[in-house]
Amino acid sequence: QKEVEQNSGPLSVPEGAIASLNCTYSDRGSQSFFWYRQYSGKSPELIMFIYSNGDKEDGRFTAQLNKASQYVSLLIRDSQPSDSATYLCAVPSGTYKYIFGTGTRLKVLA
Amino acid sequence: DAGVIQSPRHEVTEMGQEVTLRCKPISGHDYLFWYRQTMMRGLELLIYFNNNVPIDDSGMPEDRFSAKMPNASFSTLKIQPSEPRDSAVYFCASSSRMTSGGSTDTQYFGPGTRLTVL
Repeated sequence: QKEVEQNSGPLSVPEGAIASLNCTYSDRGSQSFFWYRQYSGKSPELIMFIYSNGDKEDGRFTAQLNKASQYVSLLIRDSQPSDSATYLCAVPSGTYKYIFGTGTRLKVLA
Repeated sequence: DAGVIQSPRHEVTEMGQEVTLRCKPISGHDYLFWYRQTMMRGLELLIYFNNNVPIDDSGMPEDRFSAKMPNASFSTLKIQPSEPRDSAVYFCASSSRMTSGGSTDTQYFGPGTRLTVL
């Protein structure tokens, strides 16, 4: 089993809909989790981090963490074409380093 | 702040040649990471430094790869000799500090170097 797994997609949603992106991880000891967004041909940029069970909201973005089930999700409300990108989940692995998932490509259709 | 700076942005070379990628982290950041990104394997950590000292190089694929950080503002990743399978985008990232969680663990990525080995 890979340490961090994401569905590669593409996940296509109509403009204005909710996009739901999921990430599962294998290390039960993982404490904090990051979501990065990467536009085509660009570098990853941080969207959110979460380290407590439950939901964390930031504008149109909500991160959800369920440590018992070992998954973390990212919800994007009122999806816009500008949200079209690849979303990477990052999970800690050992000390001071993070393992990235291969990412889910999101396409928001106008 | 200019952010993380990488050079060159694109590199095309022939198999067997030496390739050197360069990175300037954000001033004041103590951690520097080198990643490689391919479609098949995603974003892989190659090596990271703390205060210019290599801490974990377990991701370096083989002896052809080496990395140095002679001072707080400069790092290099060298491939010698290069092979076609090394073709990828190489990212450098820096962070102010790393803990077991929290926003200070945020890694800031440079624009990347797209390497093509023919």
